[in-house]
Amino acid sequence: DAGVTQSPTHLIKTRGQQVTLRCSPKSGHDTVSWYQQALGQGPQFIFQYYEEEERQRGNFPDRFSGHQFPNYSSELNVNALLLGDSALYLCASSLVVAESYEQYFGPGTRLTVT
Amino acid sequence: RKEVEQDPGPFNVPEGATVAFNCTYSNSASQSFFWYRQDCRKEPKLLMSVYSSGNEDGRFTAQLNRASQYISLLIRDSKLSDSATYLCVVTSYGNKLVFGAGTILRVKS
Repeated sequence: DAGVTQSPTHLIKTRGQQVTLRCSPKSGHDTVSWYQQALGQGPQFIFQYYEEEERQRGNFPDRFSGHQFPNYSSELNVNALLLGDSALYLCASSLVVAESYEQYFGPGTRLTVT
Repeated sequence: RKEVEQDPGPFNVPEGATVAFNCTYSNSASQSFFWYRQDCRKEPKLLMSVYSSGNEDGRFTAQLNRASQYISLLIRDSKLSDSATYLCVVTSYGNKLVFGAGTILRVKS
């Protein structure tokens, strides 16, 4: 049973650049959520995708955008990178019809902005 | 005020000890509650869901008090491998997860 996968594992970018992170959900899951985790903090919700649409969004600027594909995989795009965007980016998948709201996380992408 | 608050610790305990973590949340509309475990530089992993009736999974017991908006996690007979950060998590407005900052546990031999 394939779990949540993310790519790349690590990434180094320069201020002002753009980055795309990718996520494949756990087999059978249809919903993907993205989180940003700064050092020493808990993950912060960025947005959630279901049926290729953004369902919910956290308190993040429009520089953060995403997409979900028909196979349920998802991308997170960040434009005009700032030093403060350096963090671990986590993708979590879930099944929308499940009442438990349990989400399962991928290993994350560690983004460093210099 | 943060939506989910936890004591950051660290809690330093000897092997075999019993340790308890507490967490409070501010959104009375929260419907689901979880404890996640996160090892250093790894992803959070679901430890257990928390139910109003309380639930137990081996050495781990979780309790929820909706009236006080309070969640707890009890770990009995601590093992070295229990050393990690424990994240208290609640749902908000659907299945968006809201995380506390985490409580660090260090179990020492």
